[in-house]
Amino acid sequence: DADVTQTPRNRITKTGKRIMLECSQTKGHDRMYWYRQDPGLGLRLIYYSFDVKDINKGEISDGYSVSRQAQAKFSLSLESAIPNQTALYFCATSDPGTGGDEQYFGPGTRLTVT
Amino acid sequence: QKEVEQNSGPLSVPEGAIASLNCTYSDRVSQSFFWYRQYSGKSPELIMSIYSNGDKEDGRFTAQLNKASQYVSLLIRDSQPSDSATYLCAVIPSGAGSYQLTFGKGTKLSVIP
Repeated sequence: DADVTQTPRNRITKTGKRIMLECSQTKGHDRMYWYRQDPGLGLRLIYYSFDVKDINKGEISDGYSVSRQAQAKFSLSLESAIPNQTALYFCATSDPGTGGDEQYFGPGTRLTVT
Repeated sequence: QKEVEQNSGPLSVPEGAIASLNCTYSDRVSQSFFWYRQYSGKSPELIMSIYSNGDKEDGRFTAQLNKASQYVSLLIRDSQPSDSATYLCAVIPSGAGSYQLTFGKGTKLSVIP
């Protein structure tokens, strides 16, 4: 089984709808991250969490919110989706105890907002 | 703003050749450097990490770091068509937010059979 899973893998939604993307991990890592990837813009950090009680905004948090329900679960919500939130979304985890805080990515969610 | 720069490519090399991918970064005191491979439509996969000056080898991959020149590179020996992908350089900068990974936009590599 994959260490980092994301659901759904693909989603098409309409402008104004609320949508939640979910991430689960079995790696036992404390740190979790949400990124979006757009052609030509690379990967950009939306939110990150170092433990269940620690949530931080990343580079592009406007229009998004997150919830860390447990060490293993980190959800990203779009309260009112808009077309420019169409992108590929990745969850990642890391463990600073490894020395380098290497990040490991889930398979991604392709989100289309029409 | 702390930046990571890569040539977008595409970089085309013949099968069996050495592919050389380059990356520069703006934060002089960055300490952690990573190379990820990403196939089209797939997630980034960590292939190398390097933290000190010099070379680090792992199989066909060699990462090279020169902090004085703010330069990190990835060499792929005996390139295979399966190596065709986009390679992302990533850096953890220093200071506030030093745990945040900053990615370059990637170099697309094409290995020609």
